Amino acid sequence: NAGVMQNPRHLVRRRGQEARLRCSPMKGHSHVYWYRQLPEEGLKFMVYLQKENIIDESGMPKERFSAEFPKEGPSILRIQQVVRGDSAAYFCASSEGGGASNQPQHFGDGTRLSIL
Amino acid sequence: SQKIEQNSEALNIQEGKTATLTCNYTNYSPAYLQWYRQDPGRGPVFLLLIRENEKEKRKERLKVTFDTTLKQSLFHITASQPADSATYLCALQTGANNLFFGTGTRLTVIP
Repeated sequence: NAGVMQNPRHLVRRRGQEARLRCSPMKGHSHVYWYRQLPEEGLKFMVYLQKENIIDESGMPKERFSAEFPKEGPSILRIQQVVRGDSAAYFCASSEGGGASNQPQHFGDGTRLSIL
Repeated sequence: SQKIEQNSEALNIQEGKTATLTCNYTNYSPAYLQWYRQDPGRGPVFLLLIRENEKEKRKERLKVTFDTTLKQSLFHITASQPADSATYLCALQTGANNLFFGTGTRLTVIP
């Protein structure tokens, strides 16, 4: 999965702390997506962003979760006041086009978040 | 309710045989259907995309079919090899660009 870089690969937090997950898309890609994968479950869409804009956040929990994709720098998924149920693998993907295009999405290797 | 079901959680097959994986969906109208491969501890890797008006797509030893009447896609790997062992995910893309994933089929190719 060269191209989409996610860090950290593993993140451990205690309940109540904040978690920040970073994603640098492939070069030339301006569309970023975040997905969550719980053990034994499929990938679930969370949010779709373009530079400086949130396009679709229909999969984001209403509280504690936020995402941004600034003009400069990586996309950030932020989880405030983490709880045990936030433990999961979080994957970022990027694509060259967006909207109703047929562009495949290129995934990073994920951040595995563990809440103690 | 909307569902994406992949035929079995796990599939074992002898090396050299053709592996066939099934993806069925309900209450979606996908414009595109995509197949991904995921290895343990890694992110999904894109394999093939097929449009709603295409019946079949091929890439090397891979073949995908898409039947919008049956609401089903079949994914075939011919002349399977142990290196093909992985989890295979189907994903539907509707008008927007976010993908809806099935839970995957874990394929094991036995030497």
